[in-house]
Amino acid sequence: DAKTTQPNSMESNEEEPVHLPCNHSTISGTDYIHWYRQLPSQGPEYVIHGLTSNVNNRMASLAIAEDRKSSTLILHRATLRDAAVYYCILSVYNQGGKLIFGQGTELSVKP
Amino acid sequence: DSGVTQTPKHLITATGQRVTLRCSPRSGDLSVYWYQQSLDQGLQFLIQYYNGEERAKGNILERFSAQQFPDLHSELNLSSLELGDSALYFCASSPAGTVNTEAFFGQGTRLTVV
Repeated sequence: DAKTTQPNSMESNEEEPVHLPCNHSTISGTDYIHWYRQLPSQGPEYVIHGLTSNVNNRMASLAIAEDRKSSTLILHRATLRDAAVYYCILSVYNQGGKLIFGQGTELSVKP
Repeated sequence: DSGVTQTPKHLITATGQRVTLRCSPRSGDLSVYWYQQSLDQGLQFLIQYYNGEERAKGNILERFSAQQFPDLHSELNLSSLELGDSALYFCASSPAGTVNTEAFFGQGTRLTVV
């Protein structure tokens, strides 16, 4: 399965931007980059996904490196509610959209 | 609310028993995924169905089986339960089950085997 590497944990201050990095050096040209997060005691929640271009939605932005070997999830203003485990996942073409979760990055947000 | 409904929310059962977990996907979603989350293994992909047919298989034990019915709801059957099967079981659905669509997760079923 296609592999991603993320830091185990990160800290942020409330109302400041957060940049969550992800390395995926073995990505192939048709793999999509997905981000999900899991708040305590809840199911994973979709955040954003992209292929080559940077993407923005109401929750976050996704910046994808030109060689696609890394990406960064950007939370523009962290809130206490953003404290969660963030997963960077490669969705591999022809594998039905299944998501293989790694260990993720545990984000803590300080008031 | 993701629109994916899982029942029951909690289940306590004894070793050796069999249980069935149920998942109702979002209206119109054809693809259903099952995941297991335990403290030591993280989120593990078990199996995927698309419009009633098995599409992908992950780390699913032979004691476990699943199916998707014509109305698109899905059931995960766990038999000969062991203590190590205690975990959160999540179901997710997506419209088409392709690489560029998002998946919506339910709140999970917490299974405790005693």
